[in-house]
Amino acid sequence: AQSVAQPEDQVNVAEGNPLTVKCTYSVSGNPYLFWYVQYPNRGLQFLLKYITGDNLVKGSYGFEAEFNKSQTSFHLKKPSALVSDSALYFCAVRAFKYNFNKFYFGSGTKLNVKP
Amino acid sequence: DSGVTQTPKHLITATGQRVTLRCSPRSGDLSVYWYQQSLDQGLQFLIQYYNGEERAKGNILERFSAQQFPDLHSELNLSSLELGDSALYFCASSDGTSGVTDTQYFGPGTRLTVL
Repeated sequence: AQSVAQPEDQVNVAEGNPLTVKCTYSVSGNPYLFWYVQYPNRGLQFLLKYITGDNLVKGSYGFEAEFNKSQTSFHLKKPSALVSDSALYFCAVRAFKYNFNKFYFGSGTKLNVKP
Repeated sequence: DSGVTQTPKHLITATGQRVTLRCSPRSGDLSVYWYQQSLDQGLQFLIQYYNGEERAKGNILERFSAQQFPDLHSELNLSSLELGDSALYFCASSDGTSGVTDTQYFGPGTRLTVL
C-alpha cells in the first residue's frame, strides 16, 4: 500500500536553531514528494516538491528537503528557525504506478518555534 | 493567497440535511481536487475532476458527490449528513498539465459543523 509517515506529532525548536521535520514514504514506482504548511484556520500552502534530479530541493521561506532513496525519506529542513515558522507541516506523496492520481498525506507534524 | 476560493467559509447544519460546497479554481487551472480534514482521519483525498470529467476517486462516501462545471468551478454535495461528517473541506486546483507532478494549490477551506 502506498503511504507516507510523519513519525513526530510535534517538534519543538528554539528560534535561530536548525529544524528538521521527518517524513518517510512507501510507494510502488517512482515517488513524487511534496511538503505543505498549514497555518491556523488557513488552507495548505505549497513549500516544495521533489520530482527528479538533485536530491536537495529548495523551496519557499528558506525551507529545503533532502530526498534519500535508500532510506525512503524526504525530511524537511531549515538552517535557522523563525517563530513565524510555527505551523502544521504535511508531507505528501504521489506515484506514477497504480493510483497515481491520488495524493497521500502524512498525519502532519506541529512545529513549535520558541523565541 | 493561493487564488483558489471556497464558499461558504463556515456551515452549520443538522443531521440528515444536505449541503453544497463551492470551489473556484485558480485562473487557468483545469483540475480540481476535494479533500476532507478531520481530527481523527487527518487529510483525506475525496475526488478529482479534470476539465469537467471525473479523473480519480479516493475515500469518498456514496452520500457525497461532486461535479465540475463548464466554467471549471466545482461543487461538492454532501447529503444525509451525520455528526462524523463535521470537518474542514478543502478544494485544491492545479493546471493539470504535469499529471502526477502537478503542484496543487489549496483554498482556505469550508468548515462544516453537523449538529
